Amino acid sequence: QSALTQPASVSGSPGQSITISCTGTSSDVGSYNLVSWYQQHPGKAPKLMIYEGSKRPSGVSNRFSGSKSGNTASLTISGLQAEDEADYYCCSYAGSSTFVFGGGTKLTVL
Amino acid sequence: EVQLVESGGGLVKPGGSLRLSCAASGFTFSSYSMNWVRQAPGKGLEWVSSISSSSSYIYYADSVKGRFTISRDNAKNSLYLQMNSLRAEDTAVYYCARPTGDYGDFNYWGQGTLVTVSS
Repeated sequence: QSALTQPASVSGSPGQSITISCTGTSSDVGSYNLVSWYQQHPGKAPKLMIYEGSKRPSGVSNRFSGSKSGNTASLTISGLQAEDEADYYCCSYAGSSTFVFGGGTKLTVL
Repeated sequence: EVQLVESGGGLVKPGGSLRLSCAASGFTFSSYSMNWVRQAPGKGLEWVSSISSSSSYIYYADSVKGRFTISRDNAKNSLYLQMNSLRAEDTAVYYCARPTGDYGDFNYWGQGTLVTVSS
């Protein structure tokens, strides 16, 4: 159950697009279409932004999108806004009914 | 509105025990699997344990296997985490979380309860 690999930080200016990568293995990200992404503001509980790789829960802006290629999943945020500044975590089903999270990425909106 | 409210956190000495509770409302609790996810101070998220809707299937992260026990009481709409043989590295905010559907993600979260293991 090794953590998925995410960049420690990414940044972008308002209006720009950014992509956060999440690299796993053929035992987790590469094997299942069960990657989810979470946004967490300081002192708050995480919020689900993407599930099953590319689906958005009700109420989540369509500026957020998810994709996967091989063992790497990605979260793209378009039209960056100040309120998008937060920590982002990916998570994948890892077989045997277990889950593994990424280490988290701090998004800074310049 | 789905609500999850954790309780039971606090300060405990290494080797001690603690029982966390999560009170659920706003949905049919008995229809959903439930999870515990934790976050050490300043660190990332870690999945801890899952339990199926009828308690038939229970799973743990290797880091807590043999020390933690997840359970639920569908009549009381409540989820529990019994934590024994606690270690300093178990210090974290513990969240209960519900998936969107049967499985596979964590859509609804409580506010979390802080567990501190220290002498």
